[in-house]
Amino acid sequence: NAGVTQTPKFQVLKTGQSMTLQCAQDMNHEYMSWYRQDPGMGLRLIHYSVGAGITDQGEVPNGYNVSRSTTEDFPLRLLSAAPSQTSVYFCASRETGLGNTIYFGEGSWLTVV
Amino acid sequence: RKEVEQDPGPFNVPEGATVAFNCTYSNSASQSFFWYRQDCRKEPKLLMSVYSSGNEDGRFTAQLNRASQYISLLIRDSKLSDSATYLCVVSGSNDYKLSFGAGTTVTVRA
Repeated sequence: NAGVTQTPKFQVLKTGQSMTLQCAQDMNHEYMSWYRQDPGMGLRLIHYSVGAGITDQGEVPNGYNVSRSTTEDFPLRLLSAAPSQTSVYFCASRETGLGNTIYFGEGSWLTVV
Repeated sequence: RKEVEQDPGPFNVPEGATVAFNCTYSNSASQSFFWYRQDCRKEPKLLMSVYSSGNEDGRFTAQLNRASQYISLLIRDSKLSDSATYLCVVSGSNDYKLSFGAGTTVTVRA
């Protein structure tokens, strides 16, 4: 079972570069989201989507763009990488509806130098 | 004030001990509550959902106290494999937006 797949697992970027973190899920979940996790802090929501063509901002959206052209894919774009974006990024999906489990990808470790 | 707050620990306990810790949340309209487990450098995985009446899953017991706005997790008969960080997860009034605590670290020693 693939579940939620995200790539790349590790990436080093130079300040100002752009890149896209890929995320795909094969569970036909309508809801997908991106989080970042920093030491001593909980996961913080960057952007989320409740279905193809629908996206919305989370808690920390600045510097990131998303799109949702299909149910399966939800890429996260860093427009102009900054050292403050050094973090671990997790993509997640869940069925809509109260109390449903959220499933995470394995994470992407991003370092911006 | 953070939406979800946890004691970061670490809780260092011997095998076989009982360990318990709480998580407080600020949004009284929250509807869904979970405990997730996260191992070092891994993704979070669902440990258990937390129901109003409290619930148990083997050695793990979760409780919800809406009046005081906290949830708790109790681990009985701790195993070495229980060593992990436990994340408290709470929904907002919009169930799409989940808030995560920073985690409570538990280390079980032989």
